[in-house]
Amino acid sequence: EAGVTQFPSHSVIEKGQTVTLRCDPISGHDNLYWYRRVMGKEIKFLLHFVKESKQDESGMPNNRFLAERTGGTYSTLKVQPAELEDSGVYFCASSHSNFGQYFGPGTRLTVT
Amino acid sequence: QQQVKQSPQSLIVQKGGISIINCAYENTAFDYFPWYQQFPGKGPALLIAIRPDVSEKKEGRFTISFNKSAKQFSLHIMDSQPGDSATYFCAASKTSNTGKLIFGQGTTLQVKP
Repeated sequence: EAGVTQFPSHSVIEKGQTVTLRCDPISGHDNLYWYRRVMGKEIKFLLHFVKESKQDESGMPNNRFLAERTGGTYSTLKVQPAELEDSGVYFCASSHSNFGQYFGPGTRLTVT
Repeated sequence: QQQVKQSPQSLIVQKGGISIINCAYENTAFDYFPWYQQFPGKGPALLIAIRPDVSEKKEGRFTISFNKSAKQFSLHIMDSQPGDSATYFCAASKTSNTGKLIFGQGTTLQVKP
């Protein structure tokens, strides 16, 4: 069974540019989560999808961040325009239920 | 507001020793406490998890001890091996809600040969 995949693995962009991160969850997992780890701090929750519906967006930093989940399959997280403080590692996780989340390898975003 | 506090930030243990990482939480509504292990360049991998209705769970060399009254839980790695060198994260969630994980700050473990 394939695990959670994320693309790209690393992205370097300039301040003000747009970046889109993609996550492909484990097949059959209805729950999809986005998290972010900034500057060696704790991993922080961003948002949660159940199928294509957003269940909890309480962790989204601001309206520069837009997440979508097409047809309940893969998800994208767009940052527009990117700021320096958006740099970090963005993780996606998926699960069958509300526990037992499987994480992807992450996308390292560097904003210069 | 840091809802889950993890210590120590870093830990060096000799091969064969016991590694102990501690976490404390604030929200008594949390009902699921997993530990994740992360190697460089990889995502966090679920290592072991516990529910608050038990005080201890063991899987191989890894044990979670849970103290509900103190709102603390810890990970014990017995017979630590160099291959255990990684970053460990504790987390907590309320599964009746969205199940979002609240993480501790992480502990970098180095096991010396």
